[in-house]
Amino acid sequence: GEDVEQSLFLSVREGDSSVINCTYTDSSSTYLYWYKQEPGAGLQLLTYIFSNMDMKQDQRLTVLLNKKDKHLSLRIADTQTGDSAIYFCAETYYQTGANNLFFGTGTRLTVIP
Amino acid sequence: DTEVTQTPKHLVMGMTNKKSLKCEQHMGHRAMYWYKQKAKKPPELMFVYSYEKLSINESVPSRFSPECPNSSLLNLHLHALQPEDSALYLCASSQDVGSGNEQFFGPGTRLTVL
Repeated sequence: GEDVEQSLFLSVREGDSSVINCTYTDSSSTYLYWYKQEPGAGLQLLTYIFSNMDMKQDQRLTVLLNKKDKHLSLRIADTQTGDSAIYFCAETYYQTGANNLFFGTGTRLTVIP
Repeated sequence: DTEVTQTPKHLVMGMTNKKSLKCEQHMGHRAMYWYKQKAKKPPELMFVYSYEKLSINESVPSRFSPECPNSSLLNLHLHALQPEDSALYLCASSQDVGSGNEQFFGPGTRLTVL
């Protein structure tokens, strides 16, 4: 089975950069995703990276992928209090004709004003 | 319309009740999903529908019964649930089930079973 690991907690000061790390297991994952979940809400897709890329930048978000080490990271520049949430990485796995998501354990980001 | 809607937002039910959760999307997506999320845990896949046909059932107990009446709607019928079934139930949709199709999630239904 899949095992996607993340650190449980991260605290940063407002204005600093946040780096959330993820290690995944399925080397055949073609896409890797980052989702954000605010308290009591559903999941919001933030960004994704294709497995043949090693970096993707999208405004304040930078995704780095080290496929050899199966390590994924999400950097949030100039972190704001509105960024406080739980962040899930997700790998794709193939099952019975479908590519499904398997989520990491989630990292709770707290931004200190 | 680029969102997935779910009703009700909250549901409290007894173990002998029958209730249904509803999910709707009007993005023309042909794949729809049900996930279960317990507190402080990641979402776990329950069911996948592709072109209105059930393609994946992740060994979910029969007290959960999914239904896809048309390409825009996904229901989850609940019967004889247990207190441990209390969780946030999330619906998602994607263009289809192929690789690279981002899943868009609804806000969820928070279910409490007494």
